[in-house]
Amino acid sequence: EPEVTQTPSHQVTQMGQEVILRCVPISNHLYFYWYRQILGQKVEFLVSFYNNEISEKSEIFDDQFSVERPDGSNFTLKIRSTKLEDSAMYFCASSDTGQGPNYGYTFGSGTRLTVV
Amino acid sequence: QKEVEQNSGPLSVPEGAIASLNCTYSDRVSQSFFWYRQYSGKSPELIMSIYSNGDKEDGRFTAQLNKASQYVSLLIRDSQPSDSATYLCAVNKFSNDYKLSFGAGTTVTVRA
Repeated sequence: EPEVTQTPSHQVTQMGQEVILRCVPISNHLYFYWYRQILGQKVEFLVSFYNNEISEKSEIFDDQFSVERPDGSNFTLKIRSTKLEDSAMYFCASSDTGQGPNYGYTFGSGTRLTVV
Repeated sequence: QKEVEQNSGPLSVPEGAIASLNCTYSDRVSQSFFWYRQYSGKSPELIMSIYSNGDKEDGRFTAQLNKASQYVSLLIRDSQPSDSATYLCAVNKFSNDYKLSFGAGTTVTVRA
């Protein structure tokens, strides 16, 4: 079964440093997403991306965050100057336009970001 | 008012019993609803989706939707120890929007 792949599985970074989280969505999918989950809290939407541009973003997704699809397979989330409160699991997901929003989507295995 | 609300649990059921999970949502325009299972430290895994009022069955799982009451539930029949996990309710508001709003989840423990 096709998978969404995320790397690295765990990243430790110092406060103020930039990090890039990488995702390889399912190959024929056109919608891409980032969510995060702070330990013990709910999964929160960050951003959705379609046709090489952001289609929606949450209040969490401020100027320190950016997303990019640098080539035909990767989808990245960059956090420019990390803060302690950015420590969380970050999940990438993708969906097929043909399935529509009623079918849900598949999450990657996540990157655990720890800011120290 | 929270967008999606679930009882946090823990919900403890004996092996073989039925586990019943509830979820309410605040926005009446919500279109589609999902149940995800999440094991500790892992990513959410889609179990069921439902968008029409009534019941939808898939194996041991049954989702129930009542849009008038803004309520969606999940029944797990013949619960197994491997069903022990946190169950997340997620809601999609619009037919042309793929963003999901999640509840905080209900932790289920199945006692052998």
